[in-house]
Amino acid sequence: KAGVTQTPRYLIKTRGQQVTLSCSPISGHRSVSWYQQTPGQGLQFLFEYFSETQRNKGNFPGRFSGRQFSNSRSEMNVSTLELGDSALYLCASSFGSGRMEDTQYFGPGTRLTVL
Amino acid sequence: QKEVEQNSGPLSVPEGAIASLNCTYSDRGSQSFFWYRQYSGKSPELIMSIYSNGDKEDGRFTAQLNKASQYVSLLIRDSQPSDSATYLCAVNIDNAGGTSYGKLTFGQGTILTVHP
Repeated sequence: KAGVTQTPRYLIKTRGQQVTLSCSPISGHRSVSWYQQTPGQGLQFLFEYFSETQRNKGNFPGRFSGRQFSNSRSEMNVSTLELGDSALYLCASSFGSGRMEDTQYFGPGTRLTVL
Repeated sequence: QKEVEQNSGPLSVPEGAIASLNCTYSDRGSQSFFWYRQYSGKSPELIMSIYSNGDKEDGRFTAQLNKASQYVSLLIRDSQPSDSATYLCAVNIDNAGGTSYGKLTFGQGTILTVHP
């Protein structure tokens, strides 16, 4: 069974630009969660999508947005990039049942560097 | 107080020893607890999940949960150099008392080094 895939794996952008990251979940998983990981803040939850709907959102500014397609693939977008957006962006997929046994599996991540 | 806290590292143990990793959480209503391992430059990899009080064993790994004391721990027996990584404790916390869809709250991680 293929795992979670993310593209691109590495990205270099300059301040003020925007970026779109993509995530394909494990087959059969309908929930995709996005996280930002930095050395200072650790792993922080951005948002979660299920059946093309955002069900949950973390404490990030509106520059961070996402969407999900009918095949459960998800994208996240960051507009007007800031230096502090440099991070490892991780997506995780799960069945999205909301049951306590529902387990998230992470993709390899996209390393974003903002210059 | 942070929602999920892990014992500060780094933790260094000799090969063959037992490594003990601890985690406390703030929300008494939390139901799901996970341990992930993250090698440097890689993404988190699930090691164990636990939902009920007591111990859960999987090979060299044992997760322990005590909901009354709000702590969860991970024991690694017969530690190997390949176990050297950052261990992340994750909890499904919903401050509203319901289901927090898709959101895991992570501790800051404990760096484990197993030396030969």
